[in-house]
Amino acid sequence: NAGVTQTPKFRVLKTGQSMTLLCAQDMNHEYMYWYRQDPGMGLRLIHYSVGEGTTAKGEVPDGYNVSRLKKQNFLLGLESAAPSQTSVYFCASIPGLGFGTDTQYFGPGTRLTVL
Amino acid sequence: GEDVEQSLFLSVREGDSSVINCTYTDSSSTYLYWYKQEPGAGLQLLTYIFSNMDMKQDQRLTVLLNKKDKHLSLRIADTQTGDSAIYFCADRSGGSYIPTFGRGTSLIVHP
Repeated sequence: NAGVTQTPKFRVLKTGQSMTLLCAQDMNHEYMYWYRQDPGMGLRLIHYSVGEGTTAKGEVPDGYNVSRLKKQNFLLGLESAAPSQTSVYFCASIPGLGFGTDTQYFGPGTRLTVL
Repeated sequence: GEDVEQSLFLSVREGDSSVINCTYTDSSSTYLYWYKQEPGAGLQLLTYIFSNMDMKQDQRLTVLLNKKDKHLSLRIADTQTGDSAIYFCADRSGGSYIPTFGRGTSLIVHP
């Protein structure tokens, strides 16, 4: 298994540009999450999904949209990037409630810089 | 909302023990986790403990849980330079699929 993968690993955008970050998992997990990590702020939940076709807002959803058209993929979109969205973005997944400890599996991260 | 607190930095000498502390507010927390994040990488699960346990030991790692005080600690024995990383504490209640993370403790191990 590849686990959780993220594409791209690095990206530099200009203010106002758009882009999509892709998260893929091959573990048949139900739940998927997008976080951003900023220095001193820890992890903040942007959006999450509890199954194919479902999405929900997390702690800091403004400026982002998501889609979960296929169970294995969770896409994070920035329609009009702003410098405040410069961050490291992590995707995570869990099998689903009732599967033991349901610890999160994390991707390696996408480092995004918005100029 | 519920909160998880950690100190931001810890510096120890190689070979000493490290103790990273965490406090949480959610009295319904069922699972408590410790994750490790090495530079440039994602988080990896280090260990976890159920809320009905007081202690869990796994090689050099010892997790202690004081449920009354809502205090969790991670002890790393014989700390090595390879243990330098950010350590995140997280908790989750049994009926929730959203864990709450602390801000992370940067462990610096010096010779």
